[in-house]
Formats: sequence, C-alpha cells, structure tokens
Amino acid sequence: DSGVTQTPKHLITATGQRVTLRCSPRSGDLSVYWYQQSLDQGLQFLIQYYNGEERAKGNILERFSAQQFPDLHSELNLSSLELGDSALYFCASSASGQTRQDTQYFGPGTRLTVL
Amino acid sequence: AQSVTQLDSHVSVSEGTPVLLRCNYSSSYSPSLFWYVQHPNKGLQLLLKYTSAATLVKGINGFEAEFKKSETSFHLTKPSAHMSDAAEYFCVVVDRGSTLGRLYFGRGTQLTVWP
Repeated sequence: DSGVTQTPKHLITATGQRVTLRCSPRSGDLSVYWYQQSLDQGLQFLIQYYNGEERAKGNILERFSAQQFPDLHSELNLSSLELGDSALYFCASSASGQTRQDTQYFGPGTRLTVL
Repeated sequence: AQSVTQLDSHVSVSEGTPVLLRCNYSSSYSPSLFWYVQHPNKGLQLLLKYTSAATLVKGINGFEAEFKKSETSFHLTKPSAHMSDAAEYFCVVVDRGSTLGRLYFGRGTQLTVWP
C-alpha cells in the first residue's frame, strides 16, 4: 500500500459526459501528479500540482482540468468525454516534486470506461 | 529531451532462471532512473531507483539494476525468477528540465514466468 488513495476505482459513463476523479496524497506529500495509461499511448504524464499550484503540464487535453485543494487532495476533471478517453488514470504523490531524486508513489488508479 | 526505450515488450522465463529486462535511456543531463512494477489490476510500485550514487542499485524482491553511462543503459536483473514476479515492468527517467518531477515512462515489458 503506497498511501496514495484514489476514488472511484471504476467509472463507467457515456460520451459527452463529465466526471471527476479524486486523489489523496500520502501524508506529508506536497506534490500530486496525474498520469493516463492507455493501450495505444502507454503511460503519459498529464499534470503536476505542488502545494496547491500548477507546476507542470504534459499531454493534457483542454477538455481536462485539475486542481489541488488546501488539504492537498487533488481532483482531475474530464469533460465532453470521448471513447478514446477510456483509460486507467493514476495519481502519484511525492514529498516535494522539486528535485529529480524525489520518488513518486502511485495510487491504485481509476479505470474509466466511456461507452 | 528525455526518453526511455524498453527493448523487449515481452520476456518469458522459467521459474528459478535469471531475469533480464533491458532499458536504454536518452538524457541531456545526468538522469535519475527508476524501475516500477505493475501487477494485474494494481497500481505502480517502485522497485528501485538510481540518483547518481552507486551505479549498482538494489531494490525490493531481489531485483537490482546497473547504471551504465557509456551504454546509456539501466537493465533490470534478478538471479532467480519467482512466479510472483509475473507483471509488467516500466523503466522511467526523470526530466531534469524545467518540469522537474515529470516522469517519462518506457512502453513496458511484460514478464511471464513459467512453472
């Protein structure tokens, strides 16, 4: 158990809908990262937050957004969902995210299925 | 730019025989390198990491990896495979650029262990 929690575990929805994925980092970790894992793209970095502020952006679509709240939990919002958004979404956390030695600990993931 | 190439998408071994999972990296700077493992329907677990200390890194469950700068490689090995090692393994490099903390994943190597 990494100490990172994600809810829900599974999510099934229809095209055009909007969903919110939630992540609670390990106790004391200030950085939260979101990743998408799909069969065709592999594991891709989406976005990073550090202590409530956006720190880095990766291959995140404009239909997707995220935020980190004062209690450090984070939410990833996916809107106008398409079939291709079906994937496993991981959240990770690290102590600071400010050094390359920082280890990221991953949650169990949320499996999103868009029908 | 950072990138990782895992040279084998699938590796099959018999229980009790050695495991070798190959990884080459590309990095403009001295990289930090990680190996993560993903068991079916589970999140990513850190096996080991290299952060410019000893070039031979020991991880959990008997795995180790050697950083070879001249070959830009970070291969993962284990002397004797166990059935419980069957999983997907990801080689990862950390971006040392402006987006500190962003991980770049290889496409993964699926390890099958035969009894």
